[in-house]
Amino acid sequence: AQSVTQPDIHITVSEGASLELRCNYSYGATPYLFWYVQSPGQGLQLLLKYFSGDTLVQGIKGFEAEFKRSQSSFNLRKPSVHWSDAAEYFCAVSYSSASKIIFGSGTRLSIRP
Amino acid sequence: GAVVSQHPSRVICKSGTSVKIECRSLDFQATTMFWYRQFPKQSLMLMATSNEGSKATYEQGVEKDKFLINHASLTLSTLTVTSAHPEDSSFYICSASFQRLMNTEAFFGQGTRLTVV
Repeated sequence: AQSVTQPDIHITVSEGASLELRCNYSYGATPYLFWYVQSPGQGLQLLLKYFSGDTLVQGIKGFEAEFKRSQSSFNLRKPSVHWSDAAEYFCAVSYSSASKIIFGSGTRLSIRP
Repeated sequence: GAVVSQHPSRVICKSGTSVKIECRSLDFQATTMFWYRQFPKQSLMLMATSNEGSKATYEQGVEKDKFLINHASLTLSTLTVTSAHPEDSSFYICSASFQRLMNTEAFFGQGTRLTVV
């Protein structure tokens, strides 16, 4: 069965510092991978997704993620965080682009002024 | 991007009553819709997959008779929480799949905060 692991429950970084949120997946074939962001009490916003092709994916708001098959990872990065990036971040996986999406447990990002 | 609208955004109901949540794809036809549930400070848990014109497929542990899902048209799916209890209080989010070029993407509604008192 497919699963997603986000090992960091809560991360705090200083504004302007770089960020990396970890995500590992468990699935036999190449999965469809997603990163979503959720502000308190709000719905989900898709940051980026990987279906195939270039393993370095660019998303919105200056985020990027790299698919590493050998490590079963899809870590999210941003070179310089802004206070507005404080939110909950979810990594997710799917069998196909149309099937159900399985979410990781989430990582809460706090920004230190 | 495609828009998915959920209504209501917040609802408070009394124990024992039923509540209906609507999920609409506003500018596309969604053959498949998904319903998720999110407890405070937790992740989204898939409840069921809903295909237009057929019965929903529920995830293990989700009570079919408690959470009634209807997907009567390509733009509307509804989730009815029957005989609601305080433990049903949660954040419910729907998503709808949309075929775009060679890929199918899922778009999420803004969620419904249900509080049962």
